[in-house]
Amino acid sequence: AQSVTQPDIHITVSEGASLELRCNYSYGATPYLFWYVQSPGQGLQLLLKYFSGDTLVQGIKGFEAEFKRSQSSFNLRKPSVHWSDAAEYFCAVGSPRGSNYKLTFGKGTLLTVNP
Amino acid sequence: DAGITQSPRHKVTETGTPVTLRCHQTENHRYMYWYRQDPGHGLRLIHYSYGVKDTDKGEVSDGYSVSRSKTEDFLLTLESATSSQTSVYFCAISDSGTGRENIQYFGAGTRLSVL
Repeated sequence: AQSVTQPDIHITVSEGASLELRCNYSYGATPYLFWYVQSPGQGLQLLLKYFSGDTLVQGIKGFEAEFKRSQSSFNLRKPSVHWSDAAEYFCAVGSPRGSNYKLTFGKGTLLTVNP
Repeated sequence: DAGITQSPRHKVTETGTPVTLRCHQTENHRYMYWYRQDPGHGLRLIHYSYGVKDTDKGEVSDGYSVSRSKTEDFLLTLESATSSQTSVYFCAISDSGTGRENIQYFGAGTRLSVL
């Protein structure tokens, strides 16, 4: 069964600092990988996705993520955080095989941005 | 929110009362999903649908039923609500086509309180 671990429950950074949110997955082959963001009181918005090819993927709002097969990781990065990035971030894994299109989500990392 | 409307947005009900939450989409997407979100648990799949009248259970389906009589509507019913079903419920949709089934778009959520 596929699973996702986000080791950091809560991260605090200063505005303008760089950010890296960690995500590790468990899956028998190369999965589909996603990062979603949730602002307070809102639904989840897709930031970026990885299906295949270039292991560094660019997303919206200046975010990027790097797929590292050897580490089973898909960490999210941003070079300079803005106060509006304060939100909860979810990593998710999907299966490219068969007819199972369910996603498995991590438990989320809450990002606080200090002025 | 990608043409997804959840209703109601907020509901307070009493234990033992039946409750139905509605998800309506205007995207004509094939797949629809119901999740619940609870602190410390992330998002957990309740039920999903892969077509009209085609549904299946997710990881936390006990106490919930679903119906999909039209492409655009996916209903989640709590036959007899319990306090443990107090949660925020999210509907998601995904399209069909290589890889697109895995890209889920989320509604704004329904906050349900069972007293």
